[in-house]
Amino acid sequence: ETGVTQTPRHLVMGMTNKKSLKCEQHLGHNAMYWYKQSAKKPLELMFVYNFKEQTENNSVPSRFSPECPNSSHLFLHLHTLQPEDSALYLCASSQDYDSTGELFFGEGSRLTVL
Amino acid sequence: GQNIDQPTEMTATEGAIVQINCTYQTSGFNGLFWYQQHAGEAPTFLSYNVLDGLEEKGRFSSFLSRSKGYSYLLLKELQMKDSASYLCAVRDGDYKLSFGAGTTVTVRA
Repeated sequence: ETGVTQTPRHLVMGMTNKKSLKCEQHLGHNAMYWYKQSAKKPLELMFVYNFKEQTENNSVPSRFSPECPNSSHLFLHLHTLQPEDSALYLCASSQDYDSTGELFFGEGSRLTVL
Repeated sequence: GQNIDQPTEMTATEGAIVQINCTYQTSGFNGLFWYQQHAGEAPTFLSYNVLDGLEEKGRFSSFLSRSKGYSYLLLKELQMKDSASYLCAVRDGDYKLSFGAGTTVTVRA
């Protein structure tokens, strides 16, 4: 239990579906992140939110749409995805963005796009 | 972008020692992290180095040389439960955290 909870743990969707991934952190952190993890590749930073404001969008296609309603919750809305988007999507949080503190990760949402 | 390199796979015997190397090239430096990730689980924090030298935490130690852009994670007295992927991550001058592809360590009986 890392204090970061992600749902669903597994998701299968067609290319025309719309779905959302949810992340919640119970650590009182101010920064939240979405990372994409593909087999044998480095974790790719997708989005960063600090105090609910998006501070980084790492050239992510618009079919991925983040939402951060408050410092404890982060969503990733998915629409018209491609099979190559199949991956593990990890949410993480840290005390602040511009600090040296470590990230706390959720267990991830395994996404399969058919 | 940042460049972080680590070996893809390593295999060692239970009770032995394994050293996982990580080299990096970044714009500025605000610390290096090691994470452990078991299959199907979240990455968990192992160690943090920001100054040169060795940090020891039980069976795990991490070393940093900033001038060489080099770190290693040393796992001693290997146990079967240490079989996992080990991720090297570097925070650059803008505090952006970039990860290596991970080293899969397999511990054999």
